[in-house]
Amino acid sequence: AQKVTQAQTEISVVEKEDVTLDCVYETRDTTYYLFWYKQPPSGELVFLIRRNSFDEQNEISGRYSWNFQKSTSSFNFTITASQVVDSAVYFCALNDYKLSFGAGTTVTVRA
Amino acid sequence: AAGVIQSPRHLIKEKRETATLKCYPIPRHDTVYWYQQGPGQDPQFLISFYEKMQSDKGSIPDRFSAQQFSDYHSELNMSSLELGDSALYFCASSLALEYTDTQYFGPGTRLTVL
Repeated sequence: AQKVTQAQTEISVVEKEDVTLDCVYETRDTTYYLFWYKQPPSGELVFLIRRNSFDEQNEISGRYSWNFQKSTSSFNFTITASQVVDSAVYFCALNDYKLSFGAGTTVTVRA
Repeated sequence: AAGVIQSPRHLIKEKRETATLKCYPIPRHDTVYWYQQGPGQDPQFLISFYEKMQSDKGSIPDRFSAQQFSDYHSELNMSSLELGDSALYFCASSLALEYTDTQYFGPGTRLTVL
């Protein structure tokens, strides 16, 4: 069975600080895809990034970057120079033809 | 770009009533998923359809049923509503039924059962 763990329940930072969200997953599949979604206070679920299991190259996209390490089953996500609009719940998810989500991490960015 | 459309956005029902939620996937997406998100919880998979056939089923109560129509839109029918059914219901769509495909979510339907 797939399992995704986000140990951080809440993170609070001041604007312009970096925020790193941890995600640890369990799967018996050898190939898989991992995702990060954002849920702002308005409630919608917004796709942010995805990563396949056979490419461990870390990437940066604007203020977002992610660190995937298959050896430790971790898929961490960083927001650089956070802004108030980044305040949201962030979900890590594993795709097995359906998404298994972690419990989510609430990020609050204070001005 | 076109997104997933869900209607209605808000729905208030009494216990034991019936509700129907609708989902219109992104054009050319033939796979639809339904998720339920309770207050303060992560979304839980209910059911999915690929090419109008049910492809997978999660923790969906027997009181709920769903189908995908020839135009690929989907409807989730909920009967004998209970207070615990109050939640945010998301529909998502993807290009195909592949674990590689990104699921794009609609804005959700907030169901309140009184």
